[in-house]
Parts: sequence; structure tokens; C-alpha cells
Amino acid sequence: EAGVAQSPRYKIIEKRQSVAFWCNPISGHATLYWYQQILGQGPKLLIQFQNNGVVDDSQLPKDRFSAERLKGVDSTLKIQPAKLEDSAVYLCASSLEVTEAFFGQGTRLTVV
Amino acid sequence: GNSVTQMEGPVTLSEEAFLTINCTYTATGYPSLFWYVQYPGEGLQLLLKATKADDKGSNKGFEATYRKETTSFHLEKGSVQVSDSAVYFCALRSGGSNYKLTFGKGTLLTVNP
Repeated sequence: EAGVAQSPRYKIIEKRQSVAFWCNPISGHATLYWYQQILGQGPKLLIQFQNNGVVDDSQLPKDRFSAERLKGVDSTLKIQPAKLEDSAVYLCASSLEVTEAFFGQGTRLTVV
Repeated sequence: GNSVTQMEGPVTLSEEAFLTINCTYTATGYPSLFWYVQYPGEGLQLLLKATKADDKGSNKGFEATYRKETTSFHLEKGSVQVSDSAVYFCALRSGGSNYKLTFGKGTLLTVNP
């Protein structure tokens, strides 16, 4: 079974630029999550989708972050404009409704 | 709100030593508890889980018991190997259908030969 796919693996941008990350969840998983993991900290949930609807985006900085999940499958997370403090690993995960979450390898973003 | 507190790292052990990583939690209701592991350069992998009080999760020689009375879920292994070197995260999932995971800050374990 293929796992959660994320791209790119690494990205370096200057502050005030925009960036987008892509995630392809495990086939059949209705729930998709985006987490932000800052160095030395545990992952923090940014947004959770159930199919293509948003379940929880309470910790998403909506003035600069946006996410969508078209057709209830792939998802993109965008940051515009980026700030230095956005440097982190962005993790995508998916799950069936009541099982554990499976994580991708993450995208490491460096904002300079 | 929900929160998870893990022992501060880093933890450095010699091969075959005994490992304990403490984890305590605060949550409403009856959460499920997890340990995730992150090997260098890789994503998070589920190591073990427990869904109700007194359950013991186990995998790859690691164990953790869900203790409701002490709100704890300590990770243990009797004899660590160099290949166990990784970051370990304790996490909880609050009750209900919203599968939101709350993580601790992680504990870096280094095992020396």
C-alpha cells in the first residue's frame, strides 16, 4: 500500500515570497491533516479535512495560510507571504475515520 | 484544552540499557494515547497505542500502559539498540469523531554502541 506522498521535500524561499506544498493521501482515506512542526517542538495541527470539507482550522493563520482539498483527494497548503517564523517542517497525514493517522515524510521549509 | 507533557531530552544511553520516557497528559473525557517515532530524515510513524485505561500497547520491544489514575503513558524498553535512535513523541486523541492529535514536544534518544 502506498503511503502519504508529499512534495517538495525541501524548499528555500525569501521572506514575503509565496510557497505551496502538495499532499496525496493514502487511497480511500477520507480525513487529511496538515501539521506544522517547528524545530524542537511537537507537530501542531493547522487544518483538518473530512473529504473536501474543513473540520478544524482553528490554528491556521488565515491571513497568510490557505489550504484546499479539491475532490476530496489531493490537498495543497499555501503560504503567502511567508515570514521567517514559518520555517518548519510541514507534515501531511491521512486516516480512515477512526484509525490512527499515517504521516508523509514532510516538506522542510526554510524562509531566509 | 488537551495537552501532553514529555520528559525533556536529549536522552543518551548505551546499547542494551533500559529506557523510560515519561509522558503525562491533560484531557477531557477518555482520550486514546499514542507513541510516534521519527527516525532521521523520515516522517512520523506510529509505534504503539492504547485506547482505554489499563491497556498496554507494545511493538518492537517497546511498551506503554495507559494509566488513568496518574494520567500517564510512559514509554519503556528493556534493552535499547543503536537503531532505536530517533525522536519519540507522545500524543493523545480526544474522544469523539474528530481525530485531532495533540503532540508532546518530543524526546531525542541517542543510543551509543
